[in-house]
Amino acid sequence: GAVVSQHPSWVICKSGTSVKIECRSLDFQATTMFWYRQFPKQSLMLMATSNEGSKATYEQGVEKDKFLINHASLTLSTLTVTSAHPEDSSFYICSARDTMGGGGYEQYFGPGTRLTVT
Amino acid sequence: QQQVKQSPQSLIVQKGGISIINCAYENTAFDYFPWYQQFPGKGPALLIAIRPDVSEKKEGRFTISFNKSAKQFSLHIMDSQPGDSATYFCAASKGYSTLTFGKGTMLLVSP
Repeated sequence: GAVVSQHPSWVICKSGTSVKIECRSLDFQATTMFWYRQFPKQSLMLMATSNEGSKATYEQGVEKDKFLINHASLTLSTLTVTSAHPEDSSFYICSARDTMGGGGYEQYFGPGTRLTVT
Repeated sequence: QQQVKQSPQSLIVQKGGISIINCAYENTAFDYFPWYQQFPGKGPALLIAIRPDVSEKKEGRFTISFNKSAKQFSLHIMDSQPGDSATYFCAASKGYSTLTFGKGTMLLVSP
């Protein structure tokens, strides 16, 4: 199956600093990637849709200036949490579709990144 | 109209039993219905998915039943094992649009 990786798997940062999370599709190309946030014992909350070569589409209520998304290539999307605060602490998960290789609607998820802001 | 309602919230099944999780949707335009399995601290893994042109799909011990008229679909896990203990999410989408997730079901399979 299609593999999506994330780096780092966990990160601790101080309040006010910025953190970058990488999402890579390892064995397929993805014109579209998605970023989710998940709180403990809750469902996945879509933050934004990342489109290669164009601006990301953010969900209502998600601050685009705080959560910067860059989809610079067909295999890499990055999420930068700027000026992080403790309330940004969460589990961030990316996903991708194999839209280039004739894939269907399947969406494959990365292993997630645990962000803790102190 | 974008909601996907999932039940039960939690489920305890004895080893060897059948686990059944149900989902109901409202948007009749949805045409893709996947199930994901998530272990603590990990990302969701695609388990099985179905399109509305079939009423059932089976992969190993996992079966999706789909009822288009009732706008419901369910996941059946046969011969449930302790290793199946995880959180299961149903989802739905229209074509290549974003997935709408249910709230999840925590399954515990007792030894």
